[in-house]
Amino acid sequence: EAQVTQNPRYLITVTGKKLTVTCSQNMNHEYMSWYRQDPGLGLRQIYYSMNVEVTDKGDVPEGYKVSRKEKRNFPLILESPSPNQTSLYFCASMGGGNVYNEQFFGPGTRLTVL
Amino acid sequence: QKEVEQDPGPLSVPEGAIVSLNCTYSNSAFQYFMWYRQYSRKGPELLMYTYSSGNKEDGRFTAQVDKSSKYISLFIRDSQPSDSATYLCASPYRGGGSNYKLTFGKGTLLTVNP
Repeated sequence: EAQVTQNPRYLITVTGKKLTVTCSQNMNHEYMSWYRQDPGLGLRQIYYSMNVEVTDKGDVPEGYKVSRKEKRNFPLILESPSPNQTSLYFCASMGGGNVYNEQFFGPGTRLTVL
Repeated sequence: QKEVEQDPGPLSVPEGAIVSLNCTYSNSAFQYFMWYRQYSRKGPELLMYTYSSGNKEDGRFTAQVDKSSKYISLFIRDSQPSDSATYLCASPYRGGGSNYKLTFGKGTLLTVNP
C-alpha cells in the first residue's frame, strides 16, 4: 500500500528543545516536501527535496532544517523550537517529472511548543 | 499578491446541489492545477489535476481551467454529505535548477447538509 508515514503524530515540547519529525515514503518517489498548516494561512511549504542530497527552501524555511540522505526519508528538524512553530505539519511525496497523479500526504504531526 | 487565491468560505449547501469552488492565480507560468480534499484531522488527498486550459471530469467532479482569466474551478455534481471537507487548489511551479515549488490556496470549507 502506498504510504507516507510521519512520527510522532502529536508532540508537546518546550522552547529550545531540539526535535525531529520523521517522514518516510514507500513509493520510491523523488520529490518530498514539508508543509505547515495554520488557521487562516493555509498550507505553506517549508522545504522540499527533488532527490537525494537535493533540497531547497519553500516559503517559510526559517527555524527549520531538513536532510535527504536516503530517497525514502525526509526528516524535519527544529534545532531550537519556538512557540510560533506550533502548527500542524504535513510531509508529502510525489512522483518525478510531471507524475502529479502520484502524490500522497502523510497523516500530519500536531506540534505544540510551550 | 499571493500567487493562488481562494475564497475560504465557509460554503454550506443541501445534499444534491451542484457545488462550485473557485481559485484565481497570478503566475502566468503555472501550467498544472490541482485540487485536493482534506477531511478534518487528515492529510490532504489529491482529487484531480489538469494541464493548461480545459475541463477534466472524474465521476461527479469536474475541474476547469481558464488560462485567459487565470481562473480555476472545481464542480461537484449531486453533492453528498461525505463531500463535506476543505478543498484546496494548488499549482506547481518548476523554475530553474532544483526549484520546484507547490503553492496552495487557503482552502474552502464545504458542508453538505443531508
